[in-house]
Amino acid sequence: QKEVEQDPGPLSVPEGAIVSLNCTYSNSAFQYFMWYRQYSRKGPELLMYTYSSGNKEDGRFTAQVDKSSKYISLFIRDSQPSDSATYLCAMSHSGGSNYKLTFGKGTLLTVNP
Amino acid sequence: DSGVTQTPKHLITATGQRVTLRCSPRSGDLSVYWYQQSLDQGLQFLIQYYNGEERAKGNILERFSAQQFPDLHSELNLSSLELGDSALYFCASSVASGYYNEQFFGPGTRLTVL
Repeated sequence: QKEVEQDPGPLSVPEGAIVSLNCTYSNSAFQYFMWYRQYSRKGPELLMYTYSSGNKEDGRFTAQVDKSSKYISLFIRDSQPSDSATYLCAMSHSGGSNYKLTFGKGTLLTVNP
Repeated sequence: DSGVTQTPKHLITATGQRVTLRCSPRSGDLSVYWYQQSLDQGLQFLIQYYNGEERAKGNILERFSAQQFPDLHSELNLSSLELGDSALYFCASSVASGYYNEQFFGPGTRLTVL
């Protein structure tokens, strides 16, 4: 079993839809949870970062972490064609070994105008 | 633009050859990380350097090595290349090591081994 599982999609939605992206993980030592966005032929860029459990909102984006279920989500409201990209969840440990990011394989999202 | 630069953008080479990928971190960042992204494995951590010293190793093959120079730029050396080494190689940098801090990714080097 991989440490981080992510449905690769692809996911295709109409403009304005609410998008839900999810990851599950097996390592209970993960404390930091991130969502990266990667446009085609570009490097990943950080969208959201959450420490431990809870919700975090930033504009149209909401990140949720449920450590009891080892499940994290990213919601995109009022999705736009410019949101079309691959979304990668990433996690790291706390303490001295938390530099290494463990990524899901990514979900390819297409938002159709 | 993340501020992390990588050269070259594309590299095409043959099996058995050796290549060097270069990364310049953001100004002020002391940590450099190397990742490999392939279709079947996704984005995987290879190795981290902090201020010139190796700090952590991930799934890095023995044929691969890296170093960070006094000016903080880093090089990833890949030798005895195989077809399966074809992938995107990303460098990321962050301010420090030992606690969470955002990693900024470069644009990547696309390696094709023929």
